[in-house]
Amino acid sequence: AQSVTQPDIHITVSEGASLELRCNYSYGATPYLFWYVQSPGQGLQLLLKYFSGDTLVQGIKGFEAEFKRSQSSFNLRKPSVHWSDAAEYFCAAQPWGAQKLVFGQGTRLTINP
Amino acid sequence: DGGITQSPKYLFRKEGQNVTLSCEQNLNHDAMYWYRQDPGQGLRLIYYSQIVNDFQKGDIAEGYSVSREKKESFPLTVTSAQKNPTAFYLCAVTTGGIYGYGYTFGSGTRLTVV
Repeated sequence: AQSVTQPDIHITVSEGASLELRCNYSYGATPYLFWYVQSPGQGLQLLLKYFSGDTLVQGIKGFEAEFKRSQSSFNLRKPSVHWSDAAEYFCAAQPWGAQKLVFGQGTRLTINP
Repeated sequence: DGGITQSPKYLFRKEGQNVTLSCEQNLNHDAMYWYRQDPGQGLRLIYYSQIVNDFQKGDIAEGYSVSREKKESFPLTVTSAQKNPTAFYLCAVTTGGIYGYGYTFGSGTRLTVV
């Protein structure tokens, strides 16, 4: 079945440390891939997206993601997190020719001061 | 919100009442979606509409109804048949291209049963 998996429900990192959030997808063909961030009580904001081409994608707020076809992964990274990065992060996939997105379960990020 | 307005931000419902959540967009996109979000359960699709006067059930449509009389508007009614309506509701619009390249989301409505 087509799906998006975020293996980590909750991650805690210290401020200034590096971050990697994992995302795996299960599709026959590579879908469009997205990362969204949600602050408490807010809607989701697009961080970055991958359609094709360069496998390292730059996004807003200093985030980047790397697409690895061999691993069916699209992991989100940030070299140095800030307390304001505490939020929930969702990975999503959109198959070619489909309008609906399929979301992962989300990863809640906590930042220790 | 990128051109999507959800109202109200907070809504309280008494047992047995129907309530309607509003979603309006000025992005001129055809496809609109309603999601429900519960703690630890991610986003679950309730209904979606790809064109005016047409809509399809998502994964958890029971107890909900929608209409799509105008391109700009896609209201969601939470009926008394929905036994556990307390949740955060998000409206989204497909953005860009023929098939769209992801969603733009509204800021959400938090519904609480009192």
